[in-house]
Amino acid sequence: KQEVTQIPAALSVPEGENLVLNCSFTDSAIYNLQWFRQDPGKGLTSLLLIQSSQREQTSGRLNASLDKSSGRSTLYIAASQPGDSATYLCAVKIGGNKLVFGAGTILRVKS
Amino acid sequence: EPEVTQTPSHQVTQMGQEVILRCVPISNHLYFYWYRQILGQKVEFLVSFYNNEISEKSEIFDDQFSVERPDGSNFTLKIRSTKLEDSAMYFCASNPGLAGGYTGELFFGEGSRLTVL
Repeated sequence: KQEVTQIPAALSVPEGENLVLNCSFTDSAIYNLQWFRQDPGKGLTSLLLIQSSQREQTSGRLNASLDKSSGRSTLYIAASQPGDSATYLCAVKIGGNKLVFGAGTILRVKS
Repeated sequence: EPEVTQTPSHQVTQMGQEVILRCVPISNHLYFYWYRQILGQKVEFLVSFYNNEISEKSEIFDDQFSVERPDGSNFTLKIRSTKLEDSAMYFCASNPGLAGGYTGELFFGEGSRLTVL
């Protein structure tokens, strides 16, 4: 059974710092990996999607990498801003067309 | 930008009552999903729907749950007789399928918070 783990569970950093969020999954048989942002009480906003054949994807200050064989992905946020404060969720797409989510990393960027 | 819309944003109901949560997926998307997130827990898959039928469902999705696409735009989740443990945020999602190059990217709505008393 696929399990997704995110480390750290929570992170507090000063504004301007570069940071890395980690995601690991137990079964490397995935179709893709998607990073989401969730604001308190809100929905899930897709940030980046990496196909299983890709190594990384970039969007603005965000860069996500995927090492499928080792079951790891990282989300790199450059020059963090207070507006980046949110919960970041990692999810892998497995056979049967469904996503398995991690518990998320709660990020707080202090001004 | 097209988005998935969900109604209601919050519903409070008594245990044993029927609830219908509504979703309007992004136009021309072909795959539809319901996920839920109990407070403080992970987002969990409930059901996927394609070509007017359920393509996959989780063990959570028992006989108390049903989904329907009654017309060309709405996608509904019905809980027949709500229990306290059904209290959660329910998210609808859609995926364009082949029409979108089949990247597999899911687009989520803002969620419907269900509180069962």
